[in-house]
Amino acid sequence: DSGVTQTPKHLITATGQRVTLRCSPRSGDLSVYWYQQSLDQGLQFLIQYYNGEERAKGNILERFSAQQFPDLHSELNLSSLELGDSALYFCASSATSGTYSGELFFGEGSRLTVL
Amino acid sequence: DAKTTQPTSMDCAEGRAANLPCNHSTISGNEYVYWYRQIHSQGPQYIIHGLKNNETNEMASLIITEDRKSSTLILPHATLRDTAVYYCIVRVIYNNNDMRFGAGTRLTVKP
Repeated sequence: DSGVTQTPKHLITATGQRVTLRCSPRSGDLSVYWYQQSLDQGLQFLIQYYNGEERAKGNILERFSAQQFPDLHSELNLSSLELGDSALYFCASSATSGTYSGELFFGEGSRLTVL
Repeated sequence: DAKTTQPTSMDCAEGRAANLPCNHSTISGNEYVYWYRQIHSQGPQYIIHGLKNNETNEMASLIITEDRKSSTLILPHATLRDTAVYYCIVRVIYNNNDMRFGAGTRLTVKP
C-alpha cells in the first residue's frame, strides 16, 4: 500500500460526458502528479501540482483540467470525453523535505472506459 | 526528447540475475538515475536511484558507469514475480520537478 488513494477504481461513461477523478496523496506530501496510460502504452505525464500551484504541465489536453485543494487532495477533470480517452489514470505523490529522495508513490489507478 | 534509451524487451531465466541496461548519454551533473517498474496494470513501483555511486537495496543493485552515461539495474535472483516493465529515468532530485517515463524494458522471467 503506497498510501496514495484514487477513486473511483473503475468508471464507465459515454462519449461527450464529463468525469472527475480524485486523488488523496500520502499524508504530508505536497506534490501530486497525474499520468495517463492507454492500453499497452507508456505512462504519459499530464500535470503536476505542488502545494496547490501548478508546477509542470505535460501532454494534457485542453479538455482536461486539474486542481489541488488546500487539503492537498487533487482532482482531474475530463470533459467532452472521446473513445480515445479510455485509459488508466494514475496519481502519484512525493515528499518534499527531510529525507526527500525524489521517490514518487503511485496509487492503484482509475480505469476509465468511454463507450 | 527522450533522455534515456532502453531495450524494448528482455528475457531472463528464473533464479538468474537480470541485468537491465540504460543509456543516458546527455545526463546533467545534477540529475539522478531512477528505476521504477510496473507490474501488469498496477501503479509503478520505485526500485532504486543513484547519482554516481553504485547503490544497493533489498530489491536491486544499480551500477552507474564512471562517466555516468549509462547504468545497469541488477535483479540478483529474478523470480516470476519480477516480470514487469522497467523504467529508467533521469531527473533532478530537488525542486520537486516532474518525472517523465519512457517506453521502458519489458522483462519476462521464464521458468
